[in-house]
Amino acid sequence: GQNIDQPTEMTATEGAIVQINCTYQTSGFNGLFWYQQHAGEAPTFLSYNVLDGLEEKGRFSSFLSRSKGYSYLLLKELQMKDSASYLCAVWDSNYQLIWGAGTKLIIKP
Amino acid sequence: DSGVTQTPKHLITATGQRVTLRCSPRSGDLSVYWYQQSLDQGLQFLIQYYNGEERAKGNILERFSAQQFPDLHSELNLSSLELGDSALYFCASSPPEDTGELFFGEGSRLTVL
Repeated sequence: GQNIDQPTEMTATEGAIVQINCTYQTSGFNGLFWYQQHAGEAPTFLSYNVLDGLEEKGRFSSFLSRSKGYSYLLLKELQMKDSASYLCAVWDSNYQLIWGAGTKLIIKP
Repeated sequence: DSGVTQTPKHLITATGQRVTLRCSPRSGDLSVYWYQQSLDQGLQFLIQYYNGEERAKGNILERFSAQQFPDLHSELNLSSLELGDSALYFCASSPPEDTGELFFGEGSRLTVL
């Protein structure tokens, strides 16, 4: 079967750094996405990784290791507005998106 | 604003009833996806259409059906509603070059009483 694992919830402090991990087992791989979703709102695209390594985009970075079936999203200089759920999704061999259940990130002052 | 439009934004109805949710994709996008998200749950993929044809089916109940029309808008029909169908229903679209990135509408919040 296909499976994506993420921690259910994480807590961090404003101004700090947090790393949200995602491990996946899918039938094939054509890329990994991270989305941000604020409560009651639509998910919005954050990043896409298809090759191994780190992709940096402002305060957010995403890392991929295809051999380990592993990715992480790194958020720096945390702000209160970063409180949200972060969804990991993998594009499988049939170009279907397989979604993780999401990680709820709580930022404390 | 993602460019994807969903109506209605909120809907309250009773068990046993039928509702229709509507989605207009971004201009130029051919694919439409429907997702269900219950409270504090992850996104559950229901169904995907590409240029009017069904492309993929997820965990969509037999009581639910969808279609994509020639003008590319899509409708999701939910019938014989149950309390457990209360959820946010998202529509998303993706560009023809199929980059995998989805653009989500704001969702339709369905409450079944």
